[in-house]
Amino acid sequence: AQSVTQPDIHITVSEGASLELRCNYSYGATPYLFWYVQSPGQGLQLLLKYFSGDTLVQGIKGFEAEFKRSQSSFNLRKPSVHWSDAAEYFCAVGPLGNEKLTFGTGTRLTIIP
Amino acid sequence: DAGVIQSPRHEVTEMGQEVTLRCKPISGHDYLFWYRQTMMRGLELLIYFNNNVPIDDSGMPEDRFSAKMPNASFSTLKIQPSEPRDSAVYFCASRRSVFEAFFGQGTRLTVV
Repeated sequence: AQSVTQPDIHITVSEGASLELRCNYSYGATPYLFWYVQSPGQGLQLLLKYFSGDTLVQGIKGFEAEFKRSQSSFNLRKPSVHWSDAAEYFCAVGPLGNEKLTFGTGTRLTIIP
Repeated sequence: DAGVIQSPRHEVTEMGQEVTLRCKPISGHDYLFWYRQTMMRGLELLIYFNNNVPIDDSGMPEDRFSAKMPNASFSTLKIQPSEPRDSAVYFCASRRSVFEAFFGQGTRLTVV
């Protein structure tokens, strides 16, 4: 069975600081990996996805993620966070058709001035 | 495109009442998903459709829950009778083929 672990429930960083959100997955085949962001009262918005190829993927809003098969990880990074990045971030894994995406429990990001 | 449209945004109802949540997917998308989000269980897939046909409803918690997709531009999720433990945010999402899913803004359901 596929599963996703986001070990950090809540992270607080200062505006302008770098950010890394952790995601570990368990999947029996080649995983298709996603990061979504959810702002308060909003739906989920796709930040980036990994299907194959270059293991460092670029997304919107200056985010990037690196797929590391040996560590079963797909961590999200941003070199310098902005106050508008405060939100909840979800990692997800699914099969090729990604019909049955499995989401992590999310990491809530707080930005302090 | 306006994106995935859900209605209502908020619903407060009394226990035992019927609740119907509505979703209009993005035009041209052939998959539609219903998710439920709670603090305790996170995001759970309830059911998904492909070309208006229900493919997998194994996530539907009980027989009180039902979902339909009468055409490519409309889907409903119905709870009858509703219970307080059904209180959650319900999301609809749609996608085209193997591409990423786009989510609606959700319906926050409160059953009192």
